[in-house]
Amino acid sequence: GQQVMQIPQYQHVQEGEDFTTYCNSSTTLSNIQWYKQRPGGHPVFLIQLVKSGEVKKQKRLTFQFGEAKKNSSLHITATQTTDVGTYFCAGTSGTYKYIFGTGTRLKVLA
Amino acid sequence: GAVVSQHPSRVICKSGTSVKIECRSLDFQATTMFWYRQFPKQSLMLMATSNEGSKATYEQGVEKDKFLINHASLTLSTLTVTSAHPEDSSFYICSARDRGRVMNTEAFFGQGTRLTVV
Repeated sequence: GQQVMQIPQYQHVQEGEDFTTYCNSSTTLSNIQWYKQRPGGHPVFLIQLVKSGEVKKQKRLTFQFGEAKKNSSLHITATQTTDVGTYFCAGTSGTYKYIFGTGTRLKVLA
Repeated sequence: GAVVSQHPSRVICKSGTSVKIECRSLDFQATTMFWYRQFPKQSLMLMATSNEGSKATYEQGVEKDKFLINHASLTLSTLTVTSAHPEDSSFYICSARDRGRVMNTEAFFGQGTRLTVV
């Protein structure tokens, strides 16, 4: 079945450093979503990417969808302590069923 | 954004008893609701897809007789963990999609239910 892997599994950064998490799907995706889950909380929707090669920005966050629509990345510029949490990508191959990636847990050291 | 309310947030039950978890979409109608299970520091594993007025679709390896799902209206889905055992202890989260949105793909998550079976 479809698998969605993320790397790295964990990342510790100093506040102000950049951070990137990569998402790779075993199958071609029709679209991909990114979520953030704070410790003890529930996932919160960040963004959706649909088009091949699409790039979207939200303040310090940059999201990219690969040309082959099998991979995606999330880049955070100048991390802040409020960025702490686990970032999940979630992809679908055309149905409303989304498969979540393995997640990347980010810790930001002040 | 739309609001999904999940209740209870925490429950402790004795082994062998059943527990019902409710997931409500408060300000929109949800054609489809999803139930996930999350172990500590792990990803969300999809258990089943619940469609209003029809039977739920369970993922491979999920026992449908153990995890009963009912989606009786466009705003409510319930998950009942029957004859719970300690290995069923986990964080259960529901999500819902708004039938009124054009893309109809953004998922709104409930707050989750921490189930502990003793």
